[in-house]
Amino acid sequence: SQQGEEDPQALSIQEGENATMNCSYKTSINNLQWYRQNSGRGLVHLILIRSNEREKHSGRLRVTLDTSKKSSSLLITASRAADTASYFCATVLLSGSARQLTFGSGTQLTVLP
Amino acid sequence: SQTIHQWPATLVQPVGSPLSLECTVEGTSNPNLYWYRQAAGRGLQLLFYSVGIGQISSEVPQNLSASRPQDRQFILSSKKLLLSDSGFYLCAWSEMGRNSPLHFGNGTRLTVT
Repeated sequence: SQQGEEDPQALSIQEGENATMNCSYKTSINNLQWYRQNSGRGLVHLILIRSNEREKHSGRLRVTLDTSKKSSSLLITASRAADTASYFCATVLLSGSARQLTFGSGTQLTVLP
Repeated sequence: SQTIHQWPATLVQPVGSPLSLECTVEGTSNPNLYWYRQAAGRGLQLLFYSVGIGQISSEVPQNLSASRPQDRQFILSSKKLLLSDSGFYLCAWSEMGRNSPLHFGNGTRLTVT
């Protein structure tokens, strides 16, 4: 079964609005990572948040982590059409190595101009 | 800066034919190397992982094999392709350590007919 699952599966918003995607996981983690994938391309790393961190920012991106609820959220503020992509969360287990990076099924974000 | 090259970008092969996908990394030494497969609308499944030349870990039993003949070269192969081998194959690299993000190539779209 999937360690990380994103919600919603698909999200459509207007340009300028904020987009929030959620990720839930089942087993204690060392860190959680968010990646972006444009259609037909490879994944691009966005943010890594460690289990002892609660929030991280990078430009228009904000990631939160709630280890008590085993969940994370990715907020994209002031979205642009170019943000249209699939977004994946991936977790590294507490006892795991880098190879044990488990990906969710992704959220497909569409930003309408 | 580090770059990762993966080719070919698309490939159509008949059932029973061999396969060879190649991935090379530049600008780093002794990277961890990965092969992932992504089914349509799904997350990524780790196929193979390598921490050094000749060192390959298989995560999923299947019709595929991997080799690492040089430090920054990773090859995915099959002697006889199956229809079920169709998918999007992604090569990635990372530094050592659980907090190192993955850096992906642009992928190969394989269609087995």
